Amino acid sequence: AQSVTQPDIHITVSEGASLELRCNYSYGATPYLFWYVQSPGQGLQLLLKYFSGDTLVQGIKGFEAEFKRSQSSFNLRKPSVHWSDAAEYFCASSSGGSYIPTFGRGTSLIVHP
Amino acid sequence: NAGVMQNPRHLVRRRGQEARLRCSPMKGHSHVYWYRQLPEEGLKFMVYLQKENIIDESGMPKERFSAEFPKEGPSILRIQQVVRGDSAAYFCASSPQWADYGYTFGSGTRLTVV
Repeated sequence: AQSVTQPDIHITVSEGASLELRCNYSYGATPYLFWYVQSPGQGLQLLLKYFSGDTLVQGIKGFEAEFKRSQSSFNLRKPSVHWSDAAEYFCASSSGGSYIPTFGRGTSLIVHP
Repeated sequence: NAGVMQNPRHLVRRRGQEARLRCSPMKGHSHVYWYRQLPEEGLKFMVYLQKENIIDESGMPKERFSAEFPKEGPSILRIQQVVRGDSAAYFCASSPQWADYGYTFGSGTRLTVV
């Protein structure tokens, strides 16, 4: 069964600093990969997705992610974090043979002023 | 073009009652997925449905939980005889026929069992 690992439960950054959230997946073939953001008490909003092609994917709110097959990773990045980025971030993947996305346990982003 | 609609947003049930959670997928989406989010945990897959069919229910507890997606109307997640441990946020997502268009989530139903 495929799995998604987000090794960092909490990440704290200062406003204006750069951000990288880690995500590793386990699946032999190229999976479909997603990053979602969840604000407190809200549902999940899709930030970006990767299916094929260019391994650097641009998303909404200034986020980007890079697919690295050799490392089985799909890390999320942002060059300058804003206080409003404080939220829970979820990485997810689904394989070509299954439409069911598997989620990581999430990384909580804390932004200091 | 409304997104995925879930209702109610909040639901309080006493132990032993039934909870019915509704999910209306986005227009044009024929696949529905239910997830459960427990406090301090990620989203756990419960069930995947297409119209009138349960495709994968490998994440559903064997007892008290059921789901349907009828030909007409919303998808329903039903929890019978609720217990305190059922308290969680339940999210529904939908996708079009081909999954590479991505998944859209609703805002969730927060179930509290008292």
